[in-house]
Amino acid sequence: QKEVEQDPGPLSVPEGAIVSLNCTYSNSAFQYFMWYRQYSRKGPELLMYTYSSGNKEDGRFTAQVDKSSKYISLFIRDSQPSDSATYLCAMRDYGNKLVFGAGTILRVKS
Amino acid sequence: GAVVSQHPSWVICKSGTSVKIECRSLDFQATTMFWYRQFPKQSLMLMATSNEGSKATYEQGVEKDKFLINHASLTLSTLTVTSAHPEDSSFYICSASRLAGGTGEDTQYFGPGTRLTVL
Repeated sequence: QKEVEQDPGPLSVPEGAIVSLNCTYSNSAFQYFMWYRQYSRKGPELLMYTYSSGNKEDGRFTAQVDKSSKYISLFIRDSQPSDSATYLCAMRDYGNKLVFGAGTILRVKS
Repeated sequence: GAVVSQHPSWVICKSGTSVKIECRSLDFQATTMFWYRQFPKQSLMLMATSNEGSKATYEQGVEKDKFLINHASLTLSTLTVTSAHPEDSSFYICSASRLAGGTGEDTQYFGPGTRLTVL
């Protein structure tokens, strides 16, 4: 079993839809949770960074962490074609090594 | 803020030659830099972690003598692929992390990646 599980998709939605992306994990020591967006042939771009459980909102993006269920989510409101990319969840314990999910390919159709 | 650059963005080389990739943090001092490798449609695989002025820590299965890492300053790390072969062709991405106000939070910021093709 992988430490971090993420559905690779692809996930196709119409423009304007609410997108829900999720990851589950098995290591209860993880404390820091991140979502990165990666466009084709580019490096990952940090979208959201959360410590421990709770919600965090930034513009159209909302990150949720439920440590009791070992489940994290990223919601994208009013999705745009420019949101089409691969979304990677990542997490770590108090060390500095990130563990990544496989990435979910998102396609927003206009 | 938190910009990381990589050079070159792409490189093509002949089998048996060595290739150097630079990673720079442009607007912050990086306590630690990381090197990843990414194959098509796969996630990032950590190759090594480096701290300024000390030897890099390599992940299991990564050849230290083949992938030489030098972290010369708080803003520059280099990865040298020695005696490259076609199986080394991949997308190499670096990241840099900084301490945020001494709180213990430390986020990785990624460079744009370098695509290496070995003929």
